[in-house]
Amino acid sequence: NAGVTQTPKFQVLKTGQSMTLQCAQDMNHNSMYWYRQDPGMGLRLIYYSASEGTTDKGEVPNGYNVSRLNKREFSLRLESAAPSQTSVYFCASSVLRGSDTEAFFGQGTRLTVV
Amino acid sequence: QQPVQSPQAVILREGEDAVINCSSSKALYSVHWYRQKHGEAPVFLMILLKGGEQKGHDKISASFNEKKQQSSLYLTASQLSYSGTYFCGGGGSQGNLIFGKGTKLSVKP
Repeated sequence: NAGVTQTPKFQVLKTGQSMTLQCAQDMNHNSMYWYRQDPGMGLRLIYYSASEGTTDKGEVPNGYNVSRLNKREFSLRLESAAPSQTSVYFCASSVLRGSDTEAFFGQGTRLTVV
Repeated sequence: QQPVQSPQAVILREGEDAVINCSSSKALYSVHWYRQKHGEAPVFLMILLKGGEQKGHDKISASFNEKKQQSSLYLTASQLSYSGTYFCGGGGSQGNLIFGKGTKLSVKP
């Protein structure tokens, strides 16, 4: 049982390049999320998907696009990377189970844009 | 809008108690608490769904005052393993989950 798997773990991009961060979960969760984490800023929600086929903007969606390919996979795309997008990116998934909605996080992708 | 956490950082000696507060200007459907060790992913501690609900396991517990849109995390008789950054997250009715900036807790021997 892998939980939430993110690829790649590390990436260096040049300004203007594009890339897609991949996320897959094997827990049959309905909801999936993308966060970025910067020093002193906590975890900021970029986009989320409450169920397969739906996506919604979070707090900081500018410069990003997402695709909920199926129930398992939720990808994050940077069309034209900028140095301000240097960050650690976390994907998470959750399911409502009784009175608990536990979110499971992937191990993160450390992205540097130069 | 991010929930506001206080304090930003706290240093404890083993065995001491701590309280971390979380407040939101927006109505919260639920409150989540997570702990993150350095270089690792956040890990779920607990969720509170109902106003006034209190939950806990081991010596970590939390309360949620729905009226005030505030939650508090209580760490009793802290252990070295409690060190890390604690995040509160506000769950919205649309399924989003917004986190605060975190509280860094350091427990010293």
